[in-house]
Amino acid sequence: QVQLKESGPDLVQPSQTLSLTCTVSGFSLTSYGVSWVRQPPGKGLEWIAAISSGGSTYYNSVLKSRLSISRDTSKSQVFLKMNSLQTEDTAMYFCAGNWDYWGQGVMVTVSS
Amino acid sequence: DIVMTQGVLPNPVPSGESASITCRSSKSLVYKDGKTYLNWFLQRPGQSPQLLTYWMSTRASGVSDRFSGSGSGTYFTLKISRVRAEDAGVYYCQQVREYPLTFGSGTKLEIK
Repeated sequence: QVQLKESGPDLVQPSQTLSLTCTVSGFSLTSYGVSWVRQPPGKGLEWIAAISSGGSTYYNSVLKSRLSISRDTSKSQVFLKMNSLQTEDTAMYFCAGNWDYWGQGVMVTVSS
Repeated sequence: DIVMTQGVLPNPVPSGESASITCRSSKSLVYKDGKTYLNWFLQRPGQSPQLLTYWMSTRASGVSDRFSGSGSGTYFTLKISRVRAEDAGVYYCQQVREYPLTFGSGTKLEIK
């Protein structure tokens, strides 16, 4: 059974760095790519970053300078780091595998 | 970046009727392999998005045949036949033709 689960802080101070982890089970990270997608409250979906099955990385054009995606295949985990957080980064953050499978999301609030 | 533009539905749609959701891309989503790299998702309130179709018209596993995707290289339609209460939510198109990936802004479907 395929599962993805996001973990990370629910509250981050402005200007700080957000670190999120997506832990997958039921498939290998060397078989399927994983993306991060976010959704501000009451708004639409925004693709943030992806890491392919081969380990190549891709980023949202606007957020690119603030993002880093990586993985640990032995632990079946994908990591997302976003720096210089602002209030507009407040959102539900999802990870998705091959687009078929999604985690439940983690709500991150940026506030002092 | 490829811009995805979605249409608006004349809500609410009576139960049992059909609904068609439109999506337009700023660039052709047809790749050199002949496939059209367009996904459709449904996000029900409080839930993670669910993949409905990929490659424009291929239904994801377990998705009802009441959902059908069609289109050309830049204009796409998701038709929902005999709408039911469980079909209510926000529908998103997404291009996966090239990075950075992009979503449409979403189309809300309400059922009467």
